[in-house]
Formats: sequence, structure tokens, C-alpha cells
Amino acid sequence: GQQVMQIPQYQHVQEGEDFTTYCNSSTTLSNIQWYKQRPGGHPVFLIQLVKSGEVKKQKRLTFQFGEAKKNSSLHITATQTTDVGTYFCAGPDTASKLTFGTGTRLQVTL
Amino acid sequence: GAGVSQSPRYKVAKRGQDVALRCDPISGHVSLFWYQQALGQGPEFLTYFQNEAQLDKSGLPSDRFFAERPEGSVSTLKIQRTQQEDSAVYLCASSLVTGAGNTIYFGEGSWLTVV
Repeated sequence: GQQVMQIPQYQHVQEGEDFTTYCNSSTTLSNIQWYKQRPGGHPVFLIQLVKSGEVKKQKRLTFQFGEAKKNSSLHITATQTTDVGTYFCAGPDTASKLTFGTGTRLQVTL
Repeated sequence: GAGVSQSPRYKVAKRGQDVALRCDPISGHVSLFWYQQALGQGPEFLTYFQNEAQLDKSGLPSDRFFAERPEGSVSTLKIQRTQQEDSAVYLCASSLVTGAGNTIYFGEGSWLTVV
């Protein structure tokens, strides 16, 4: 079945530094979604990318979908303590199943 | 409702006990999903409903796990004879339309600890 890996597994940054997480799928994806999960919370939808090479921005967050539609990245500029959490990418495996990546846990300190 | 509601939020079960976890999706949402999330891991798919029909149960780990959505709204995930490896957060999610490629909205989860 489809596998979705993310790197790094964990990153600790000082507030104001940039952060990037990378997502790689074993299969071509029709689309990719990104979720954020705060400690003790539930995954919250951030964005969906559909087109090859697509780039979308949400304030300090920049999302990219690779040309081959097998990889994606999330970049956060000038991190803040409110960015703390685990970031998951997810892609549809079948018509009903969304496969989540392994996640990247971000810790931000002052 | 305003969001996906799950109950109980926390459940401690003795090994061998049966548990039932309830999910009340966003009103009008056709699709309903159950995911299992172990500590430090990403959510793992369990099962999917389109209205009252269970179209995919390929992720259910054993025949001790059973899910239903009899009237196409509220869903219950039942785990029989719980084992320690069943300890996890059980997340319910719903989507307005069908298909996993659409935005899904998660509930806060039911945290199950089997002792």
C-alpha cells in the first residue's frame, strides 16, 4: 500500500527561525493535504494542493506540491511559539482512505 | 452541530472489557471516517461510511472492532474484549462530500487506555 514519509521527525528552533518539513509518497498523488495537530489536540486541516508544481501561501506558511506529484513541502518563515505542534501531510490512497505521513514535530522556544 | 463531537473524551477500560465510542459528525456531512492514532504516530485509517453504508473497513485491525452508522448520522465504534495494544486515540472525522480527497474535519478524539 501507499507509504508517506516525512522528514525531519522532530525539529527544535528558536523563535524567528525558519522551518521546513518534507513529505514523500511512494505513489503519485491526486492531491495532498496538510494538517496541524497541537499537543493534546486533534488534526486541523490547513490546505489542499492539487496541481503539479502548485505553490500556495497562508501568511508565513508556504506549501509546495512537487512536479511529479509525489512530494510536498511546508515552509514556515519566522516561526512563532504558536506554530508549535506536529505537521502531517496526507494523500488519498483509495476513494475512501486518506494516508497520513509520519509527521514532523516542531518545537519553538524563545 | 458546529463541529465533530466525540464521546467519551477519555475512557479507561480493563483488559477484556467492551467499549463503545460515539461520533456525532457535522450536520449534513455524507462521509464519516474513523482513524486510530497511537502516541507519536500519524492517524491510521480504520473505516469509512458514506451515509449509512460502510464502504471500506479495510483498516479495522481485527474482528474485535466493529463500526456502525445506522441512520447515516451518528456513528459508533465498538471494540470487544479490549487488549492493551488497543490503547490509542480514536479520531472521528467527517466530510461534506464523498471521497478521501476532500477536506475532512476531525473531532477531538476519544482517548482509550486499556489497563
